[in-house]
Amino acid sequence: EAVMTQYPATLSVSPGERATLSCRASQSVSSNLAWYQQKPGRAPRLLIYGASTRATAIPARFSGSGSGTEFTLTISSLQFEDFAVYYCQQYNNWPRTFGQGTKVEIK
Amino acid sequence: EVQLVESGGGVIRPGGSLRLSCVDSGFTFDDYGMSWVRQAPGKGLEWVSGINRNGDNTGYADFVKGRFTISRDNAKKSLFLQMNSLRAEDTALYYCARGYINGPFDLWGQGTMVTVSS
Repeated sequence: EAVMTQYPATLSVSPGERATLSCRASQSVSSNLAWYQQKPGRAPRLLIYGASTRATAIPARFSGSGSGTEFTLTISSLQFEDFAVYYCQQYNNWPRTFGQGTKVEIK
Repeated sequence: EVQLVESGGGVIRPGGSLRLSCVDSGFTFDDYGMSWVRQAPGKGLEWVSGINRNGDNTGYADFVKGRFTISRDNAKKSLFLQMNSLRAEDTALYYCARGYINGPFDLWGQGTMVTVSS
C-alpha cells in the first residue's frame, strides 16, 4: 500500500500570501496524484490531477507539481474561500490512498 | 446540473446490515467507473470500494473485504454498497464518487451517514 504523508498538518497563512503544501508517497506513484479541497460540511472537490493539471473551473492560483514520491500544491495568493483542508490522493497503486490532510487556516 | 445523490444511511447495531444507494443525474453513468469513499467523524478520507463501467471488475479495501459488496445498475443510473457485519469502526460519512480504475475522483455526492452503535 502506498502511504501518503502530508505536511505540515496545519498551515497558518494570511490572505494574499502564498501557501505551499507537501505530499510524500512511500513508493512511486508516477504522476498519478490528485489534490482535493474540502470545506467544513462539504464534499471534497477535485483541484488537481495528473500531479499538475487543474480540474475544470479551478482558478489559476492553484498549481501542482512533482512526480514519483514528492508532490507540492501551491496556492499563489490565498483568498478567503481557500481556507479549508487539502488532501492528496494517489491513483497509481491499489488500494487508492489519501494523505491525512493539511488544514490551511487564517493567520 | 451534474450531481450524485446518496441515500440509505442510518443508525445500525454492530453486526447489522445496510444498503447504500447513489443515483446519478446529468452525466452518462455507464461511461464511468464509480467508487465509495468514507470519512469517519473528524478524520480523513478512505477509499472503500470501486466498480468499473460494466460492473465486472470490483475492488475493495482490506478493511471491508468479505463484508461489503459493491454493485451497479446502469439502466437506473445507480450505484450500491451492501454493508454486512457492520462494526463500530465503520461509522462514517459515505461518499459516492465518480472514478475507479483510471484517474481521480472527479465528482462527489454529499454523502450519507452510517452510524454503528449499540
